[in-house]
Amino acid sequence: AQTVTQSQPEMSVQEAETVTLSCTYDTSESDYYLFWYKQPPSRQMILVIRQEAYKQQNATENRFSVNFQKAAKSFSLKISDSQLGDAAMYFCAYRSLLGTGTASKLTFGTGTRLQVTL
Amino acid sequence: ETGVTQSPTHLIKTRGQQVTLRCSSQSGHNTVSWYQQALGQGPQFIFQYYREEENGRGNFPPRFSGLQFPNYSSELNVNALELDDSALYLCASGRLGNTEAFFGQGTRLTVV
Repeated sequence: AQTVTQSQPEMSVQEAETVTLSCTYDTSESDYYLFWYKQPPSRQMILVIRQEAYKQQNATENRFSVNFQKAAKSFSLKISDSQLGDAAMYFCAYRSLLGTGTASKLTFGTGTRLQVTL
Repeated sequence: ETGVTQSPTHLIKTRGQQVTLRCSSQSGHNTVSWYQQALGQGPQFIFQYYREEENGRGNFPPRFSGLQFPNYSSELNVNALELDDSALYLCASGRLGNTEAFFGQGTRLTVV
């Protein structure tokens, strides 16, 4: 079974600065997807960025980028030019590519609460 | 906005009762998954439905059951509620084979 670990329960960053959130995972599979989701107080999970394991190039989406280290099973999220609206819970998630059904299952970490200060 | 809506937003039930939570997916989404998110934890996969059949299940007992309807709506039913069932319940819809899951805003269930 796959596991996802987020070792930082809380992080704080000043507005306009850069912050990196850590995530490690464990799997015996060679092909899979990794995601970062944002959960604001409204509770709705919002996809921030996704990475396909077979792609060596790190994914980027505007101010958000990842550092994907497949051999180390590490998947960190970097937020540049932090904004007040970035304050939320951030969850790292894993999705297998094997079969159907539970292949759509997302395995989440325990989350990191990001505070953004002025 | 993900186009996925859940009802109700909050619910209080008594231990031993039964509850039904509802989810309305985007048109064209043929899969729906349900997750339980306990306070301070990440969401845990309950099960997934595809074309109105359960086709994947997490580590949850049979008293957690679901239905998926042709009109892109679905239900999560929980029987014999326990205090530990208190959590945020999220549904996520999508198309089988696509990577992105679209989440609703969740139903906060409190069991007293």
